Amino acid sequence: GAVVSQHPSWVICKSGTSVKIECRSLDFQATTMFWYRQFPKQSLMLMATSNEGSKATYEQGVEKDKFLINHASLTLSTLTVTSAHPEDSSFYICSARDVRFQPTDTQYFGPGTRLTVL
Amino acid sequence: QKEVEQDPGPLSVPEGAIVSLNCTYSNSAFQYFMWYRQYSRKGPELLMYTYSSGNKEDGRFTAQVDKSSKYISLFIRDSQPSDSATYLCAMSAGGASKIIFGSGTRLSIRP
Repeated sequence: GAVVSQHPSWVICKSGTSVKIECRSLDFQATTMFWYRQFPKQSLMLMATSNEGSKATYEQGVEKDKFLINHASLTLSTLTVTSAHPEDSSFYICSARDVRFQPTDTQYFGPGTRLTVL
Repeated sequence: QKEVEQDPGPLSVPEGAIVSLNCTYSNSAFQYFMWYRQYSRKGPELLMYTYSSGNKEDGRFTAQVDKSSKYISLFIRDSQPSDSATYLCAMSAGGASKIIFGSGTRLSIRP
């Protein structure tokens, strides 16, 4: 199956600093990647859709200036949480769409990044 | 009304039991149906993928889709403690449309 990695797996930062999270598709090219946020015992909340070479599409209520997304290559997307605050503490998960050999609607998820803002 | 409804549980069953997990949906345009398993503090893992109506079996797992009733199910046979996780249903209409996730059902298999 398709493998998606995320780095770092966990990060602790001080309030006001910025944090960058990387999402990589290891064995396939992903023209589309997605960024989700998940609070404890809750489902996934889609934050934005990232298309290679173009601007990300943000969901309603997600601040694009706070959550900067860059999808510079077919295997890498990054999420930068700028000026992080304690309320940004959450589990951030990326996924990538694998269009090989099958309909285009299979998403493979990374292992997630736990962000704690002090 | 949410596009996808899923009972959050928790659901607790003894080891070896057959587990039935279900989702209902309202959007008749959905064509692709998926089940993901998520262990605590991990990313979701794709378990089953089904296109349109019908059944699909993979080992101890069987996915069923009934588009006429807008109802999908995941059956787990001979359940094991290692199956204890949160199970998320997901679906989409295809193309560039978003995948919509259920809220997830927490499942616990008692040894």
